[in-house]
Amino acid sequence: DQQVKQNSPSLSVQEGRISILNCDYTNSMFDYFLWYKKYPAEGPTFLISISSIKDKNEDGRFTVFLNKSAKHLSLHIVPSQPGDSAVYFCAAPGARYSTLTFGKGTMLLVSP
Amino acid sequence: DTGVSQDPRHKITKRGQNVTFRCDPISEHNRLYWYRQTLGQGPEFLTYFQNEAQLEKSRLLSDRFSAERPKGSFSTLEIQRTEQGDSAMYLCASSLVPGRPYEQYFGPGTRLTVT
Repeated sequence: DQQVKQNSPSLSVQEGRISILNCDYTNSMFDYFLWYKKYPAEGPTFLISISSIKDKNEDGRFTVFLNKSAKHLSLHIVPSQPGDSAVYFCAAPGARYSTLTFGKGTMLLVSP
Repeated sequence: DTGVSQDPRHKITKRGQNVTFRCDPISEHNRLYWYRQTLGQGPEFLTYFQNEAQLEKSRLLSDRFSAERPKGSFSTLEIQRTEQGDSAMYLCASSLVPGRPYEQYFGPGTRLTVT
């Protein structure tokens, strides 16, 4: 039972354009969401988060949007850069903020 | 470097052997987590500690797996009688409670290959 779903395994974007990565969740108890970025041979690194009391959070080129009624969130990267090429994971913390439940990830490739 | 470190980075072992991995968290972090990641999947939770207490274990953690954090600092994850299905990347993460416990900081992982 996948509670956090990333249905696009990969995404290709040209440098300078917008990248939009999507994530759906099924557990309405989730009240916080995070995006992690992972380069090959490295562990995931925290990128940006959003609380369920907000519908948008922005940090530089990265913006996360949350649509609670649709149980959907998205990560926008504008403008995309080749260094953004990585696997992006959507995640949500469980009870007592103990564990993180991750999606399967979306591999983003930004070409020059 | 004050991030999370893991040792070894790679381990190749034969089926049936025991292996042990070490994780050193960010020094002020009191929570330490172990995850496993296989190809095409996101990290899956195995277990976590708050200080030296092991507070939760996933059903993924069979009785061949044991984890310790004896002094509330570094942690070890041991797999006994390894099986080919244990081949995966084992990730360690840490966080601070109270504060921002949901922001977990990951190490580079230990890639285990069981032949």
